[in-house]
Amino acid sequence: GESVGLHLPTLSVQEGDNSIINCAYSNSASDYFIWYKQESGKGPQFIIDIRSNMDKRQGQRVTVLLNKTVKHLSLQIAATQPGDSAVYFCAEKLTGGGNKLTFGTGTQLKVEL
Amino acid sequence: EAGVAQSPRYKIIEKRQSVAFWCNPISGHATLYWYQQILGQGPKLLIQFQNNGVVDDSQLPKDRFSAERLKGVDSTLKIQPAKLEDSAVYLCASSFYRGQSPMKQFFGPGTRLTVL
Repeated sequence: GESVGLHLPTLSVQEGDNSIINCAYSNSASDYFIWYKQESGKGPQFIIDIRSNMDKRQGQRVTVLLNKTVKHLSLQIAATQPGDSAVYFCAEKLTGGGNKLTFGTGTQLKVEL
Repeated sequence: EAGVAQSPRYKIIEKRQSVAFWCNPISGHATLYWYQQILGQGPKLLIQFQNNGVVDDSQLPKDRFSAERLKGVDSTLKIQPAKLEDSAVYLCASSFYRGQSPMKQFFGPGTRLTVL
């Protein structure tokens, strides 16, 4: 079965609040973890990635945290905006996997005005 | 820059019929991927090309699915014959690693296939 999964299928947040999307993984042999965003009717869009030897990485309004002890990954979105409404997927790449990504099932983020 | 182009955007066929999807990656992107995304699930890699060579096709149902990238640019994915369970969105993506994350893949809008 899938080695990457998400805790919650739907997350609702108020505009301006911070969002936290969680992801659990089971394969310790992954060297990259990646977050993608998919808006309705569109293909996934890369957000940010983190190497397995890192704990934290920041981008524009987003932060990814990696806890290898409990095999947990999270995406934090600061000051959530209506345009952030989408399905968010975490993905992993196995070490030596030739850039093959394994995607989880996704979390629907809904931003309420 | 232009994104990944795919056609058609929608296709409805009956089971046992054949169907083909076309993808034009971003210019200069050597790596091309085909994914299958079933409703409510994440994309699943079917096949990965590096230029016109296959890097990974371990999850491609080779008894009915085929793909080619003859000149290392455009690619086609074919299903023959289609089954009901092939109903999904077929996504094409491309990537080019120089100067950016090797994990950054650029996806097209996908082709939504419905098999009746």
